[in-house]
Amino acid sequence: LAKTTQPISMDSYEGQEVNITCSHNNIATNDYITWYQQFPSQGPRFIIQGYKTKVTNEVASLFIPADRKSSTLSLPRVSLSDTAVYYCLEEAAGGTSYGKLTFGQGTILTVHP
Amino acid sequence: DAGVIQSPRHEVTEMGQEVTLRCKPISGHDYLFWYRQTMMRGLELLIYFNNNVPIDDSGMPEDRFSAKMPNASFSTLKIQPSEPRDSAVYFCASKRTGDTEAFFGQGTRLTVV
Repeated sequence: LAKTTQPISMDSYEGQEVNITCSHNNIATNDYITWYQQFPSQGPRFIIQGYKTKVTNEVASLFIPADRKSSTLSLPRVSLSDTAVYYCLEEAAGGTSYGKLTFGQGTILTVHP
Repeated sequence: DAGVIQSPRHEVTEMGQEVTLRCKPISGHDYLFWYRQTMMRGLELLIYFNNNVPIDDSGMPEDRFSAKMPNASFSTLKIQPSEPRDSAVYFCASKRTGDTEAFFGQGTRLTVV
């Protein structure tokens, strides 16, 4: 049973802002929310991680509401090179599951010219 | 650091043969993960190690699969005997305790004919 739920695919155009939302209906109190990006023929690459509210780095922003039942990855002004699969994960901060990285189905983002 | 190094990059073998995939994690990383990726099943966690000790091997498909980590700088994933349904891209990843991101290798594309 998948821990997270996200759209299978999304389409966008160059220069637009893209928001990908993930559902975390059973997230544990101490779990972090992490997003990875995967280009064709490459391994996944870390994008951003957060616990609550908003986190921003040079690549993306991550919005997590107070109830933490969802998270939204925001990519500003996408380009063709942002075409990839985006995964949301829940990572345990401690306990027996600490360190375990389980990927769901991911969202295929296609950016059009 | 050169990143996570996997070998070989490509492997074609006949059904019934033994296949060994190799991984060198990033120096200083104490977690190592093995994943399998196919179109049908997505990115599956097979097994992960902490300090060279297997922590969770519940994702290993069956007894034909085995993984070892004899030291902190080397791990192997062995399939014996191989079957056509084992054809996939196998990724290795490593992470250090306390860090937010895991780093993936370039993967090994395995084809069993």
